[in-house]
Amino acid sequence: SAVISQKPSRDICQRGTSLTIQCQVDSQVTMMFWYRQQPGQSLTLIATANQGSEATYESGFVIDKFPISRPNLTFSTLTVSNMSPEDSSIYLCSVGDWLREQYFGPGTRLTVT
Amino acid sequence: DAKTTQPNSMESNEEEPVHLPCNHSTISGTDYIHWYRQLPSQGPEYVIHGLTSNVNNRMASLAIAEDRKSSTLILHRATLRDAAVYYCIPLGGSQGNLIFGKGTKLSVKP
Repeated sequence: SAVISQKPSRDICQRGTSLTIQCQVDSQVTMMFWYRQQPGQSLTLIATANQGSEATYESGFVIDKFPISRPNLTFSTLTVSNMSPEDSSIYLCSVGDWLREQYFGPGTRLTVT
Repeated sequence: DAKTTQPNSMESNEEEPVHLPCNHSTISGTDYIHWYRQLPSQGPEYVIHGLTSNVNNRMASLAIAEDRKSSTLILHRATLRDAAVYYCIPLGGSQGNLIFGKGTKLSVKP
Protein backbone atom coordinates (compact mmCIF):
# COMPACT_ATOMS: atom_id res chain seq x y z
CA SER A 1 0.00 0.00 0.00
CA ALA A 2 0.97 3.65 -0.26
CA VAL A 3 0.11 6.62 1.89
CA ILE A 4 -0.26 9.89 0.03
CA SER A 5 -0.42 13.38 1.43
CA GLN A 6 -1.28 16.57 -0.38
CA LYS A 7 -0.64 20.20 0.45
CA PRO A 8 -2.54 22.40 0.77
CA SER A 9 -5.74 20.59 1.68
CA ARG A 10 -7.74 23.58 0.51
CA ASP A 11 -7.20 27.11 -0.70
CA ILE A 12 -9.11 30.13 -1.89
CA CYS A 13 -7.32 32.03 -4.63
CA GLN A 14 -7.93 35.09 -6.73
CA ARG A 15 -8.35 34.82 -10.46
CA GLY A 16 -5.17 35.36 -12.44
CA THR A 17 -2.92 33.87 -9.78
CA SER A 18 -1.28 30.45 -9.66
CA LEU A 19 -1.31 27.69 -7.06
CA THR A 20 1.16 24.84 -6.69
CA ILE A 21 -0.15 21.62 -5.17
CA GLN A 22 2.27 19.15 -3.64
CA CYS A 23 1.90 15.39 -3.55
CA GLN A 24 4.11 13.28 -1.27
CA VAL A 25 4.17 9.48 -1.21
CA ASP A 26 5.60 7.37 1.59
CA SER A 27 7.34 4.97 -0.82
CA GLN A 28 9.09 5.15 -4.18
CA VAL A 29 6.72 4.85 -7.12
CA THR A 30 7.19 5.01 -10.85
CA MET A 31 3.85 6.33 -12.02
CA MET A 32 1.99 9.25 -10.51
CA PHE A 33 -1.25 10.69 -11.80
CA TRP A 34 -3.06 13.98 -11.38
CA TYR A 35 -6.85 14.19 -11.53
CA ARG A 36 -9.42 16.95 -11.37
CA GLN A 37 -12.90 16.58 -9.93
CA GLN A 38 -15.19 19.47 -10.72
CA PRO A 39 -18.16 20.09 -8.41
CA GLY A 40 -20.67 17.24 -8.61
CA GLN A 41 -18.68 15.47 -11.31
CA SER A 42 -16.54 12.39 -11.63
CA LEU A 43 -12.76 12.41 -11.81
CA THR A 44 -10.92 13.43 -14.96
CA LEU A 45 -7.29 12.55 -15.58
CA ILE A 46 -5.10 15.59 -16.18
CA ALA A 47 -1.72 13.98 -16.75
CA THR A 48 0.61 11.11 -15.98
CA ALA A 49 3.93 12.01 -14.39
CA ASN A 50 6.80 9.54 -14.54
CA GLN A 51 10.08 10.39 -12.89
CA GLY A 52 12.76 11.34 -15.39
CA SER A 53 10.46 12.15 -18.27
CA GLU A 54 8.03 14.85 -19.33
CA ALA A 55 4.49 14.52 -18.09
CA THR A 56 1.94 13.15 -20.53
CA TYR A 57 -1.20 15.29 -20.71
CA GLU A 58 -4.68 14.13 -21.58
CA SER A 59 -6.78 15.80 -24.23
CA GLY A 60 -8.00 19.17 -23.07
CA PHE A 61 -5.13 19.79 -20.66
CA VAL A 62 -1.93 21.64 -21.59
CA ILE A 63 1.42 22.09 -19.93
CA ASP A 64 1.22 25.88 -19.90
CA LYS A 65 -1.93 25.75 -17.78
CA PHE A 66 -1.01 22.74 -15.61
CA PRO A 67 2.78 22.43 -15.38
CA ILE A 68 3.90 19.33 -13.49
CA SER A 69 7.19 18.54 -11.83
CA ARG A 70 8.41 15.09 -10.80
CA PRO A 71 11.84 15.59 -9.24
CA ASN A 72 12.08 12.16 -7.58
CA LEU A 73 10.21 8.92 -7.00
CA THR A 74 8.23 10.15 -3.97
CA PHE A 75 7.17 13.66 -4.88
CA SER A 76 5.32 15.63 -7.54
CA THR A 77 3.76 19.06 -7.92
CA LEU A 78 0.91 20.33 -10.05
CA THR A 79 0.57 24.05 -10.70
CA VAL A 80 -2.72 25.56 -11.73
CA SER A 81 -1.72 28.70 -13.61
CA ASN A 82 -3.58 31.92 -14.36
CA MET A 83 -6.61 30.64 -12.51
CA SER A 84 -10.21 31.41 -13.36
CA PRO A 85 -13.39 30.43 -11.46
CA GLU A 86 -13.74 27.46 -13.86
CA ASP A 87 -10.63 25.97 -12.23
CA SER A 88 -12.48 25.60 -8.93
CA SER A 89 -12.24 21.86 -8.33
CA ILE A 90 -10.74 19.17 -6.19
CA TYR A 91 -7.31 18.14 -7.44
CA LEU A 92 -6.10 14.66 -6.55
CA CYS A 93 -2.89 12.77 -7.09
CA SER A 94 -2.63 9.02 -7.21
CA VAL A 95 0.02 6.33 -7.58
CA GLY A 96 -0.05 2.78 -8.83
CA ASP A 97 -0.26 0.82 -12.04
CA TRP A 98 -2.85 -1.07 -14.01
CA LEU A 99 -1.97 -4.47 -12.64
CA ARG A 100 -2.55 -3.48 -9.04
CA GLU A 101 -4.60 -0.96 -7.16
CA GLN A 102 -4.08 2.76 -7.29
CA TYR A 103 -3.91 4.87 -4.19
CA PHE A 104 -5.30 8.36 -4.03
CA GLY A 105 -4.42 11.34 -1.95
CA PRO A 106 -7.08 13.18 0.04
CA GLY A 107 -7.31 15.93 -2.55
CA THR A 108 -6.82 19.69 -2.63
CA ARG A 109 -10.03 21.70 -2.72
CA LEU A 110 -9.44 24.85 -4.76
CA THR A 111 -11.84 27.76 -4.94
CA VAL A 112 -11.10 30.59 -7.34
CA THR A 113 -12.84 33.90 -6.74
CA ASP B 1 -11.41 2.79 -24.01
CA ALA B 2 -14.17 0.39 -22.99
CA LYS B 3 -17.44 2.12 -22.08
CA THR B 4 -19.32 1.19 -18.93
CA THR B 5 -22.96 1.46 -17.91
CA GLN B 6 -23.92 1.59 -14.25
CA PRO B 7 -27.17 2.57 -12.49
CA ASN B 8 -27.05 6.17 -11.33
CA SER B 9 -28.10 5.23 -7.82
CA MET B 10 -29.06 2.32 -5.60
CA GLU B 11 -30.40 1.95 -2.09
CA SER B 12 -29.74 -0.73 0.46
CA ASN B 13 -30.64 -1.48 4.04
CA GLU B 14 -27.90 -1.85 6.58
CA GLU B 15 -26.60 -5.41 7.05
CA GLU B 16 -28.20 -6.62 3.83
CA PRO B 17 -26.25 -7.73 0.74
CA VAL B 18 -25.84 -5.30 -2.14
CA HIS B 19 -25.29 -6.23 -5.77
CA LEU B 20 -23.90 -3.40 -7.88
CA PRO B 21 -24.05 -4.18 -11.62
CA CYS B 22 -21.83 -2.91 -14.41
CA ASN B 23 -22.07 -3.47 -18.15
CA HIS B 24 -18.81 -3.24 -20.12
CA SER B 25 -19.72 -4.88 -23.41
CA THR B 26 -16.78 -3.35 -25.33
CA ILE B 27 -14.12 -4.57 -22.93
CA SER B 28 -10.98 -5.99 -24.55
CA GLY B 29 -9.64 -9.42 -23.74
CA THR B 30 -6.72 -8.04 -21.74
CA ASP B 31 -8.60 -5.43 -19.71
CA TYR B 32 -8.95 -6.04 -16.01
CA ILE B 33 -12.17 -4.96 -14.33
CA HIS B 34 -11.45 -2.64 -11.45
CA TRP B 35 -13.86 -1.29 -8.87
CA TYR B 36 -13.21 1.82 -6.85
CA ARG B 37 -15.40 3.74 -4.48
CA GLN B 38 -15.38 7.31 -3.30
CA LEU B 39 -16.72 8.11 0.12
CA PRO B 40 -17.99 11.66 0.71
CA SER B 41 -15.20 14.23 0.81
CA GLN B 42 -12.48 11.64 0.23
CA GLY B 43 -10.34 10.45 -2.65
CA PRO B 44 -11.31 7.21 -4.36
CA GLU B 45 -10.23 3.95 -2.79
CA TYR B 46 -9.59 0.63 -4.42
CA VAL B 47 -12.15 -2.09 -3.79
CA ILE B 48 -11.32 -5.09 -5.96
CA HIS B 49 -10.28 -6.15 -9.45
CA GLY B 50 -10.35 -9.26 -11.61
CA LEU B 51 -9.84 -10.58 -15.12
CA THR B 52 -11.98 -13.65 -15.71
CA SER B 53 -12.78 -15.59 -12.59
CA ASN B 54 -14.66 -14.39 -9.55
CA VAL B 55 -12.59 -12.67 -6.90
CA ASN B 56 -13.03 -12.20 -3.16
CA ASN B 57 -11.29 -9.97 -0.67
CA ARG B 58 -12.04 -8.59 2.75
CA MET B 59 -14.11 -5.75 1.33
CA ALA B 60 -16.20 -7.37 -1.37
CA SER B 61 -16.65 -10.03 -4.01
CA LEU B 62 -16.51 -9.53 -7.75
CA ALA B 63 -18.57 -11.75 -10.01
CA ILE B 64 -17.55 -11.58 -13.67
CA ALA B 65 -19.82 -12.89 -16.41
CA GLU B 66 -18.45 -15.70 -18.53
CA ASP B 67 -18.43 -13.46 -21.63
CA ARG B 68 -16.84 -10.65 -19.55
CA LYS B 69 -19.37 -8.14 -20.82
CA SER B 70 -20.69 -7.47 -17.35
CA SER B 71 -19.70 -7.79 -13.74
CA THR B 72 -21.29 -7.39 -10.32
CA LEU B 73 -19.72 -6.03 -7.19
CA ILE B 74 -21.14 -7.73 -4.12
CA LEU B 75 -21.05 -6.20 -0.66
CA HIS B 76 -22.10 -9.05 1.58
CA ARG B 77 -23.38 -6.96 4.47
CA ALA B 78 -23.76 -3.27 3.79
CA THR B 79 -22.82 -0.86 6.53
CA LEU B 80 -23.44 2.86 6.77
CA ARG B 81 -19.76 3.36 5.94
CA ASP B 82 -20.33 1.70 2.55
CA ALA B 83 -22.40 4.68 1.38
CA ALA B 84 -20.32 5.97 -1.52
CA VAL B 85 -20.10 6.32 -5.28
CA TYR B 86 -18.92 3.04 -6.82
CA TYR B 87 -17.02 3.07 -10.09
CA CYS B 88 -16.53 0.12 -12.42
CA ILE B 89 -13.45 0.67 -14.61
CA PRO B 90 -12.02 -1.61 -17.30
CA LEU B 91 -8.27 -1.11 -17.31
CA GLY B 92 -5.49 -2.45 -19.48
CA GLY B 93 -2.62 -1.60 -21.76
CA SER B 94 0.70 -0.07 -20.91
CA GLN B 95 -0.77 3.02 -19.26
CA GLY B 96 -2.18 2.64 -15.79
CA ASN B 97 -4.59 5.54 -15.91
CA LEU B 98 -8.12 5.05 -14.67
CA ILE B 99 -11.03 6.45 -16.68
CA PHE B 100 -13.85 7.26 -14.27
CA GLY B 101 -17.45 7.19 -15.44
CA LYS B 102 -20.38 8.55 -13.45
CA GLY B 103 -20.56 5.52 -11.16
CA THR B 104 -23.39 4.34 -8.92
CA LYS B 105 -24.25 6.29 -5.81
CA LEU B 106 -25.08 3.79 -3.08
CA SER B 107 -27.20 4.90 -0.15
CA VAL B 108 -27.42 2.69 2.94
CA LYS B 109 -30.39 3.06 5.26
CA PRO B 110 -30.11 2.14 8.94
